[in-house]
Amino acid sequence: GESVGLHLPTLSVQEGDNSIINCAYSNSASDYFIWYKQESGKGPQFIIDIRSNMDKRQGQRVTVLLNKTVKHLSLQIAATQPGDSAVYFCAENFGNEKLTFGTGTRLTIIP
Amino acid sequence: DTGVSQNPRHKITKRGQNVTFRCDPISEHNRLYWYRQTLGQGPEFLTYFQNEAQLEKSRLLSDRFSAERPKGSFSTLEIQRTEQGDSAMYLCASSLGFLGGETQYFGPGTRLLVL
Repeated sequence: GESVGLHLPTLSVQEGDNSIINCAYSNSASDYFIWYKQESGKGPQFIIDIRSNMDKRQGQRVTVLLNKTVKHLSLQIAATQPGDSAVYFCAENFGNEKLTFGTGTRLTIIP
Repeated sequence: DTGVSQNPRHKITKRGQNVTFRCDPISEHNRLYWYRQTLGQGPEFLTYFQNEAQLEKSRLLSDRFSAERPKGSFSTLEIQRTEQGDSAMYLCASSLGFLGGETQYFGPGTRLLVL
């Protein structure tokens, strides 16, 4: 496959441990946030989303936390598995239709 | 497979040639988006449609780029007189909604290489 990003921030985590990926967003007026997972050679895959009237949302093995005071978003992945290795992007939406994506973080799972 | 599909998956062309990409959204999704992604970056918004109407275009979409969604279903993105700087992954996404802030689901992308 082809790498989606060669000089991204990286996070290496032991298999079975929890991962926390952080994202700082830019617009205090943003009201909708999404985390996407992108594997090499593939399009972004929806993981979980959260609206600005919430500060936490849980999915299957994933939790998103939103801190509007400091414009910070985090994605927690519990009990990481080899299949979690990918680039993770946060994206924000502020009342229009386009998503603005962050730089991305490459997550590597160590067996 | 009921997800977003894109064709071709890969395209190699010579500088100056025209290329056209196709996107088939998730059935019944009324909104369709095009993004461009270069290596090491997140996707960047190009344009979007609500049904057949093109409602917003990014400054990234130069005069050489044109997108259509003639019947409100599939969409095409054409690049005329390609340049090496056009080399990128072109991503299509679709969503269902009317108020904004709906989840966008992405296709696998078309990787363009301009020689």
